[in-house]
Amino acid sequence: NAGVTQTPKFQVLKTGQSMTLQCAQDMNHEYMSWYRQDPGMGLRLIHYSVGAGITDQGEVPNGYNVSRSTTEDFPLRLLSAAPSQTSVYFCASRISGQETQYFGPGTRLLVL
Amino acid sequence: DQQVKQNSPSLSVQEGRISILNCDYTNSMFDYFLWYKKYPAEGPTFLISISSIKDKNEDGRFTVFLNKSAKHLSLHIVPSQPGDSAVYFCAASAMYLKGGSEKLVFGKGTKLTVNP
Repeated sequence: NAGVTQTPKFQVLKTGQSMTLQCAQDMNHEYMSWYRQDPGMGLRLIHYSVGAGITDQGEVPNGYNVSRSTTEDFPLRLLSAAPSQTSVYFCASRISGQETQYFGPGTRLLVL
Repeated sequence: DQQVKQNSPSLSVQEGRISILNCDYTNSMFDYFLWYKKYPAEGPTFLISISSIKDKNEDGRFTVFLNKSAKHLSLHIVPSQPGDSAVYFCAASAMYLKGGSEKLVFGKGTKLTVNP
């Protein structure tokens, strides 16, 4: 049972490039979320999903797209990276009926 | 507008003493509160939680207290150990008692250092 996995661990992008941050969980959790952590800002919710085919926006969704075609996977897409998207990104999942979220190890993204 | 506030960015205590981390919230709809612990270069890990129908929850060395009238909760660690040195995030959820919420609102975190 690997829990929540994220790839890559670290990525450098140039402004305007696109990329997809991968997130997968093997716990059959319905809910999955993406957060970003910036210095002095705590964790802020970007997008979340309550099940396959259903996604919604969080607190800071601009510049990011998500889709949820399977229960296991919840990729986060940056269509045109900007320096303001330099951050550490965490994916999390939880089971229905529980509030405890399980986090992945994070992806550190640097946009130049 | 910050709904969950951790006003102390850092806290330093001696090994064996009590660590008290504080958290305040403004949204009266919050009914479930969680503490997460985060080591550098790792994802946050769940530590302890409390529902608004309780005022205290214990798990080993960790106790969370909730004062709903003051919209305040605190995490007590007794005795503190050097391995407890980490960033601690307070998080809150609304609608838990009515079936759950997808959204957790996090505070900015408090960096705890436990000195040997």
